[in-house]
Amino acid sequence: QKEVEQDPGPLSVPEGAIVSLNCTYSNSAFQYFMWYRQYSRKGPELLMYTYSSGNKEDGRFTAQVDKSSKYISLFIRDSQPSDSATYLCAMQGGGTSYGKLTFGQGTILTVHP
Amino acid sequence: EAGVVQSPRYKIIEKKQPVAFWCNPISGHNTLYWYLQNLGQGPELLIRYENEEAVDDSQLPKDRFSAERLKGVDSTLKIQPAELGDSAVYLCASSLGVENIQYFGAGTRLSVL
Repeated sequence: QKEVEQDPGPLSVPEGAIVSLNCTYSNSAFQYFMWYRQYSRKGPELLMYTYSSGNKEDGRFTAQVDKSSKYISLFIRDSQPSDSATYLCAMQGGGTSYGKLTFGQGTILTVHP
Repeated sequence: EAGVVQSPRYKIIEKKQPVAFWCNPISGHNTLYWYLQNLGQGPELLIRYENEEAVDDSQLPKDRFSAERLKGVDSTLKIQPAELGDSAVYLCASSLGVENIQYFGAGTRLSVL
């Protein structure tokens, strides 16, 4: 079993829809949680970063972390065609695991006009 | 400010040939990472440098892969000899500070024929 599981999709939604992306994890040592967006033939770009349970909002994006359930989510409101990309969740532990990001396999999102 | 720069962007070689990738991190970032990303998967860490020192190379296949970061700035990753299964995207990232937010380059896409 992988340490981080992410539904690969693909996910196709109409413009303006609310998108929900999710990851589960098994390693209790993970303390930092991130969402990256990766456009085709580009490197991952950091969208959201959080280290505590609860919600964090940035514009149309909301990251949610539930450490008790080992579950994280990214919500995209009013989705746009420009949001079409692969979304990767990533996690990092503390101590000796500090610095090593463990990624989910990514969810491919398409927002059609 | 320039981001993480990688070259070449694309490389096609025949199996058993050597290949090298180059990375220039964001100015001032002391931590540098090399990741491997297979198609449809999230990146996986190969090696992490703190300045000139490789502090985590546990996932680097040392029989054919090598890396260096002379003077603690630029880095090269080498494969010799390349195998068909090495076809993937090789990503470089850098970070600075306690939060360890990693910024990625666009990657080098390697095709081994």
